[in-house]
Amino acid sequence: DVKVTQSSRYLVKRTGEKVFLECVQDMDHENMFWYRQDPGLGLRLIYFSYDVKMKEKGDIPEGYSVSREKKERFSLILESASTNQTSMYLCASRAGHFYGYTFGSGTRLTVV
Amino acid sequence: DQQVKQNSPSLSVQEGRISILNCDYTNSMFDYFLWYKKYPAEGPTFLISISSIKDKNEDGRFTVFLNKSAKHLSLHIVPSQPGDSAVYFCAAGTGNQFYFGTGTSLTVIP
Repeated sequence: DVKVTQSSRYLVKRTGEKVFLECVQDMDHENMFWYRQDPGLGLRLIYFSYDVKMKEKGDIPEGYSVSREKKERFSLILESASTNQTSMYLCASRAGHFYGYTFGSGTRLTVV
Repeated sequence: DQQVKQNSPSLSVQEGRISILNCDYTNSMFDYFLWYKKYPAEGPTFLISISSIKDKNEDGRFTVFLNKSAKHLSLHIVPSQPGDSAVYFCAAGTGNQFYFGTGTSLTVIP
């Protein structure tokens, strides 16, 4: 079974801190994604990556950046955390087009 | 603007009865559709999919129906079980990118 592992289940950070959310997948998937889930808004795409070093903006990239130095790892970076970035963050990977996503368990980030 | 809509935020159904979850999309170019199930504090898990060349796909108690002319898909769960209580997300896309709905919280009452 494909496994997508997010390093932290719960995080509490202070406003202005730089925050790193890590995601690792173990099935050699090319495509990786970062979503945030908020009540009433569903899953919104922040950034995605089709290959190492590649990244593309999703629907809500402002305030975020990403890094994909290795195929299995996709990191989401909050350059200066703000309270409106308090959310559930979900990482996903997939083998290619027309394949479904495999999601990690999520990281609940609270910015205070 | 939301490209995929789930207009019912919540749904309650008696155990053993049918659950019908609905999803509408706006982009006629979408040709692949997915349903995910999410329990609290867990990531979404894939449930069932359908491509635009079909209008129905079944997997056990779960059936997805696609009406391309209406840009509408639905998920039927028969019979509903208490363990089906979760948030259900539909997703639609072209393969390059999928767009998710806002989710419907299903409660199956024993």
